[in-house]
Amino acid sequence: NAGVMQNPRHLVRRRGQEARLRCSPMKGHSHVYWYRQLPEEGLKFMVYLQKENIIDESGMPKERFSAEFPKEGPSILRIQQVVRGDSAAYFCASSDRETQYFGPGTRLLVL
Amino acid sequence: ELKVEQNPLFLSMQEGKNYTIYCNYSTTSDRLYWYRQDPGKSLESLFVLLSNGAVKQEGRLMASLDTKARLSTLHITAAVHDLSATYFCAVEPGTASKLTFGTGTRLQVTL
Repeated sequence: NAGVMQNPRHLVRRRGQEARLRCSPMKGHSHVYWYRQLPEEGLKFMVYLQKENIIDESGMPKERFSAEFPKEGPSILRIQQVVRGDSAAYFCASSDRETQYFGPGTRLLVL
Repeated sequence: ELKVEQNPLFLSMQEGKNYTIYCNYSTTSDRLYWYRQDPGKSLESLFVLLSNGAVKQEGRLMASLDTKARLSTLHITAAVHDLSATYFCAVEPGTASKLTFGTGTRLQVTL
């Protein structure tokens, strides 16, 4: 049973470009969460999705950030017009309503 | 707003010694998690604590939960160098909801 998969593992973007981060949950899991970790800090919740639905987006910045979890395919976190402050590790977690299991993360660097 | 505090933030200890990490949280919650993170890596689930008085042990680590005091502890027995990592507690206020993380405790075990 493969774990949570994320790609890419590392992503470099210039200011103003778009970043797309993908997350495939564990088999049988229908709940996906996105968290952001700034350097030397803990993880901060961004958004919680189930298939085709956003359940809780209280941690998402109001502008430039969006997330989806389509019926088919991975969950996508999209950041438009990236700025240097977006540089962070973005982790996806999936659960079956019990423990949340984390993926390896995508480390985004904005130049 | 749920707040989760950990202390200490940094802990340097010698091999063979015992120590405890504390995690306080501000509101009633369903579950409390402990995770380990190595530098540049993802989060590894250590324990999930579900009820008052819960105690779980794995190797040299033991976690406990006191829901009345809103306190969890992670006790390290006879530390070894391999335990060096950052440890996070995280609180889940309701079933299948977002996690609120503590600030993390960076543990360094010296020879």
